[in-house]
Amino acid sequence: GAVVSQHPSRVICKSGTSVKIECRSLDFQATTMFWYRQFPKQSLMLMATSNEGSKATYEQGVEKDKFLINHASLTLSTLTVTSAHPEDSSFYICSARNVQGYGYTFGSGTRLTVV
Amino acid sequence: AQSVSQHNHHVILSEAASLELGCNYSYGGTVNLFWYVQYPGQHLQLLLKYFSGDPLVKGIKGFEAEFIKSKFSFNLRKPSVQWSDTAEYFCAVTPGGYNKLIFGAGTRLAVHP
Repeated sequence: GAVVSQHPSRVICKSGTSVKIECRSLDFQATTMFWYRQFPKQSLMLMATSNEGSKATYEQGVEKDKFLINHASLTLSTLTVTSAHPEDSSFYICSARNVQGYGYTFGSGTRLTVV
Repeated sequence: AQSVSQHNHHVILSEAASLELGCNYSYGGTVNLFWYVQYPGQHLQLLLKYFSGDPLVKGIKGFEAEFIKSKFSFNLRKPSVQWSDTAEYFCAVTPGGYNKLIFGAGTRLAVHP
C-alpha cells in the first residue's frame, strides 16, 4: 500500500533556530502534498498545499515566510519552520495524495518542541 | 463559514454497544467524504471513503458510513464496539474541485470493557 515517511518523528530546538521536516512518498508519486498542524486534543488544521514544481498554497493566517515549503520532486516535500518560537511547538503532519487510488496517505507526524 | 462539524466531542461506551458518530459539512456541490481513525500514539488511518455510488459505504474493522446528501451528513456507525476501538475519529471532506482535505474537530471514543 501507499506509504508516507515523515522525519524526524521528534525534534527539540532552541528558540530562533530553524527546523526542517521531510515528507517522502515511498512507493508512489505524489504531485500534491499537504501539511497540517495538530494541537493537543484538537483536529488537524491545514497549513498549506504543496505542489511539485510550484509554489505552495498557504491557508489563511499561515505565515509563508515562517513555514517554508519546498516540493522539489514527486516524492519529497519539506517544511522548514524558520526562526522557531515556543508557540510553534506542535505536532506537524504531512499527507500525500495518491492519485491512483484518490486517497490521502498520512505520515506519522513530527512533534516539534521549541525551548 | 464552510466547515466540517462533528457534534460529539467525547463519547464513552461499553463494549458491545452500538456506535454512531455524526458528521455534517457545509460545502455545496460535489464532495468526497472520509473517516479517519487515530489510535493513541499512532498516525491517521483511513477507515472508509465515499466518492460516488452506493451511499452506504463499508470500511475496515466493521465500520460503515452513510452519505445523506439532503442532510449534508456522513455519519459513522458500528453495530458493536470493542475496547480496541478506543481512539479519536475524524471526519474529513474534500470540497468539490479542490484537492485539500478539511477535517472536523474529531470525536474521542472511549470503550470500557
